[in-house]
Amino acid sequence: EPEVTQTPSHQVTQMGQEVILRCVPISNHLYFYWYRQILGQKVEFLVSFYNNEISEKSEIFDDQFSVERPDGSNFTLKIRSTKLEDSAMYFCASSDSDRSSSYNSPLHFGNGTRLTVT
Amino acid sequence: GNSVTQMEGPVTLSEEAFLTINCTYTATGYPSLFWYVQYPGEGLQLLLKATKADDKGSNKGFEATYRKETTSFHLEKGSVQVSDSAVYFCALSAASNTGNQFYFGTGTSLTVIP
Repeated sequence: EPEVTQTPSHQVTQMGQEVILRCVPISNHLYFYWYRQILGQKVEFLVSFYNNEISEKSEIFDDQFSVERPDGSNFTLKIRSTKLEDSAMYFCASSDSDRSSSYNSPLHFGNGTRLTVT
Repeated sequence: GNSVTQMEGPVTLSEEAFLTINCTYTATGYPSLFWYVQYPGEGLQLLLKATKADDKGSNKGFEATYRKETTSFHLEKGSVQVSDSAVYFCALSAASNTGNQFYFGTGTSLTVIP
């Protein structure tokens, strides 16, 4: 079964450094997402991406964050200047929904990247 | 707005015990409801879903019924196994102009002991 893959599985970085988290969504999917989960807390929506542009973003997704789909297969999340509070598990997800049936289609998640900011 | 509330854990059960994990939701419109499971070291996997009122989702012995009157989607399993130990997330999906937006509960950790 096709799956979403994320690399690296664990990233340790120093405060103020830039990090790029990488994801390869399922190949025929159209919608791409980033979520994060701070240890012991809720899974929080960061951003959704469709047709090569951001479609929605949360309050968490401030100017420090950006997303790209540089080559038609990878989907990246960049944090420009990491803060201690960015330490979390970051999940990439994709969906094959179109707008007519969008809310019925499940998200398919990767295994996540654990980001530790020291 | 849209939100999901699920029972706090952790939950510890003996093998073959009955499992209920409560989930209630608040939504504008008519959402779809999901249960996801997260095994240690892995991502979230879809366990089951229901897309309209009175639908029952089922998979691997787990069931949940979409109850519009009580805005609930409780997860149940008649006889749990050690391999069911994981974190379970209730979620709803609501359509927006730009695709489906998911809202997750906080997760309930289940440990099944032999």
